[in-house]
Amino acid sequence: QQQVKQSPQSLIVQKGGISIINCAYENTAFDYFPWYQQFPGKGPALLIAIRPDVSEKKEGRFTISFNKSAKQFSLHIMDSQPGDSATYFCAAVSTSGTYKYIFGTGTRLKVLA
Amino acid sequence: SAVISQKPSRDICQRGTSLTIQCQVDSQVTMMFWYRQQPGQSLTLIATANQGSEATYESGFVIDKFPISRPNLTFSTLTVSNMSPEDSSIYLCSVEWQVEAFFGQGTRLTVV
Repeated sequence: QQQVKQSPQSLIVQKGGISIINCAYENTAFDYFPWYQQFPGKGPALLIAIRPDVSEKKEGRFTISFNKSAKQFSLHIMDSQPGDSATYFCAAVSTSGTYKYIFGTGTRLKVLA
Repeated sequence: SAVISQKPSRDICQRGTSLTIQCQVDSQVTMMFWYRQQPGQSLTLIATANQGSEATYESGFVIDKFPISRPNLTFSTLTVSNMSPEDSSIYLCSVEWQVEAFFGQGTRLTVV
């Protein structure tokens, strides 16, 4: 019940294409859903996050779509660029508790020039 | 935001020895977290460290193997004790600041 399932494990996209990464959760106590981007040799950094009271959030080329009834959320990267090549982690958090982050398994994205 | 300095950034250690990783935050925070990230894998929470109390360890992690100190609101250490090659991993310090999790750059540990 504490797991967050993420897919795909790896993704190759052409420059200018759309990258889509999906996550699913079980625990309805989760109320904050961030996406993290990690480059080799660096710690994860927050990319974008959403709360379940909205179905979509957009920041530049990055969009989170959230489906509360299905307990799923996804990251869309529009006009993907080679600089977006990184590993992406979704996470789920219950902000009423200890703020313990449950991370997905990660998606290694490669954008071809 | 919170800026985290973690050191060392990497180390190669002999099996049976111990390594202490330091984490310094530029703001006072209540909770600090230590994660392990094995190559190509996700982040696994080792323990949560609150100032002035014993760290809380996740299932599969014990204090004898991963002792943690939290002497004040800006600093914590994680020790990896009696290391074996299976401990080769990236260890990450993290803090929660206004819901968002901030991470250090990680310590890449190789045990030979």
